[in-house]
Order: sequence, then C-alpha cells, then structure tokens
Amino acid sequence: AQTVTQSQPEMSVQEAETVTLSCTYDTSESNYYLFWYKQPPSRQMILVIRQEAYKQQNATENRFSVNFQKAAKSFSLKISDSQLGDTAMYFCAFGGGNKLVFGAGTILRVKS
Amino acid sequence: EPEVTQTPSHQVTQMGQEVILRCVPISNHLYFYWYRQILGQKVEFLVSFYNNEISEKSEIFDDQFSVERPDGSNFTLKIRSTKLEDSAMYFCASIDRLNTEAFFGQGTRLTVV
Repeated sequence: AQTVTQSQPEMSVQEAETVTLSCTYDTSESNYYLFWYKQPPSRQMILVIRQEAYKQQNATENRFSVNFQKAAKSFSLKISDSQLGDTAMYFCAFGGGNKLVFGAGTILRVKS
Repeated sequence: EPEVTQTPSHQVTQMGQEVILRCVPISNHLYFYWYRQILGQKVEFLVSFYNNEISEKSEIFDDQFSVERPDGSNFTLKIRSTKLEDSAMYFCASIDRLNTEAFFGQGTRLTVV
C-alpha cells in the first residue's frame, strides 16, 4: 500500500520570501504521479502542480516548483515570492493504481 | 474548463437519517472517487468506482455506505443511517483514462446533528 508523509504540520513564511514544504512517499509502483493540492479556507481542492514519475525534470508552475528525488521518494514543493493568498493547507498526494493517497497536510501561513 | 459538480454544498441531517450526496463527474472520465475530510484532518479515501462497480474501498466504507452511478452521469454516495462522526466534507473526484489528474468537486459539507 502507498503511504504519503508530510512531516511539517505547520509552516510560516514572510510575504515575498521562499518556503519549501516536504513530502515523502512509499510505493512499489513503477508508474505514478505526484501532486500538490492547495486547500484554502473555502475547502476546495485546487491542483497546484503535478509531476510524472518517469520524468526526471522537476515540474514548475509560475512561482511553484518541485524537487522530485525518485530514489529517495521525496517530493517537496517550493513556493517563491510567497503571497498572502498562498495561505492554505497544502496536501501532497500520490497517484497510482487508480487511486490518490493524500498526506496529512501542511498548514502554510504567509505573514505580511 | 471541465469541472466536477457536487450537490448539495451543505446538508444538515438528523442522526439516523439517510443522506444521498450527488456528484456529476467529468463526462469522459472513467474513474470516480469519494473522499472524506473531517474538519482539520487529512483527506481520506472512501471508495473508487470503475466500469459501474466498486474497484476499491477503504475500511471506512462499511455497510452504511453505498455508491451508485444510476444514469451514466450522476455518481452518488449514500449513507444509510448517519452518525455524528459522519460529519465531514465529502469530495467527489474523477480521473481520466490516463490517470494524470484528479478533478475534485467543490465538496459537500455534511453536518449530522
């Protein structure tokens, strides 16, 4: 069974600074996807970024980028130039075997 | 942009009552899911549905829960006799054939009183 671990329950960052959220996972699958979802106070699940496991190049989406270390089964999210609107719960998720498995989440607070 | 639609957005029900949560997945998607999130906690997998049958379910998905795709578009989650601990946000999601991304509905907030 797949597991996803987010070891940081809460993080804080000053506006315009950079922050990195950690995620590790465990799987025996060879083909899979990794995701970061953002959940603002509205509780909607919003996809932030996606990484295909077969791609070595790290995914980037504007201010969001990942550091994907397949051998270490690590998938961290870096948010550059943090904005107040980035304040939310962030979930790391593993997609494989036709199921998404979520980590426990990290609450990110961006301070002005 | 395609989206998953869930209704109602919020439902309040008496303990012991039956509730049906409704979802309209993206039309050409093949895999459908229900997830649950108790307030402040992680998103938990309940059940996956493929080819008109359950493909996988979690230990949470006991005999009180059932899913259906009655008319080829709606995807419903039924809780037969609700308990206080069923109070949570319920998310429906669908995934395309390539399994590249799960599209989530906006969620149904279920409150059992």
